[in-house]
Amino acid sequence: AQTVTQSQPEMSVQEAETVTLSCTYDTSESDYYLFWYKQPPSRQMILVIRQEAYKQQNATENRFSVNFQKAAKSFSLKISDSQLGDAAMYFCAYRSGYGGATNKLIFGTGTLLAVQP
Amino acid sequence: DVKVTQSSRYLVKRTGEKVFLECVQDMDHENMFWYRQDPGLGLRLIYFSYDVKMKEKGDIPEGYSVSREKKERFSLILESASTNQTSMYLCASSPLGNQPQHFGDGTRLSIL
Repeated sequence: AQTVTQSQPEMSVQEAETVTLSCTYDTSESDYYLFWYKQPPSRQMILVIRQEAYKQQNATENRFSVNFQKAAKSFSLKISDSQLGDAAMYFCAYRSGYGGATNKLIFGTGTLLAVQP
Repeated sequence: DVKVTQSSRYLVKRTGEKVFLECVQDMDHENMFWYRQDPGLGLRLIYFSYDVKMKEKGDIPEGYSVSREKKERFSLILESASTNQTSMYLCASSPLGNQPQHFGDGTRLSIL
């Protein structure tokens, strides 16, 4: 069975600085997708970024980028120029590429990011 | 934008009660999901549905059932609520294929 591990329960960053959130996963599959979701205090989960395992290039979305190391099964999220609105719980998630019509997600336990003004 | 609406933001019920959590999506998505979120445990999948009247168990289905009579609505049912079911419940939906899930705002359920 696949597992997702986030080893940092809490992180803190100064406004305008850069922070990296760690995520490792375990799978024997070769086709899969990885995601970072953000859950602010308003509680709605928002997709931040996604990465297809077959793509070697790291995904980027504005100030958010990932460092995808397939051999090491590592998928870290880098937030550049941190803003107060980035404060949230961040979840790493895995989805098998063999799931057929459904797309079940397996989540890590989350990292709570605080942004200091 | 995709809208996933959960009927209650906060809910307080008593042990032994039958509890219904409702979720509606407005984008004609085939897949719908119910998760439970607990501190230190992340999100865990309770049940999901890939079509009307179709359902499959997730990782923690015990004590729960679901109903999907219409494509846009997916209900989570606690047949006889217990205190260990106090939690945050999140509903999500997605189209078929490799598309991301869209989440509702969550229902914080307390069982007293």
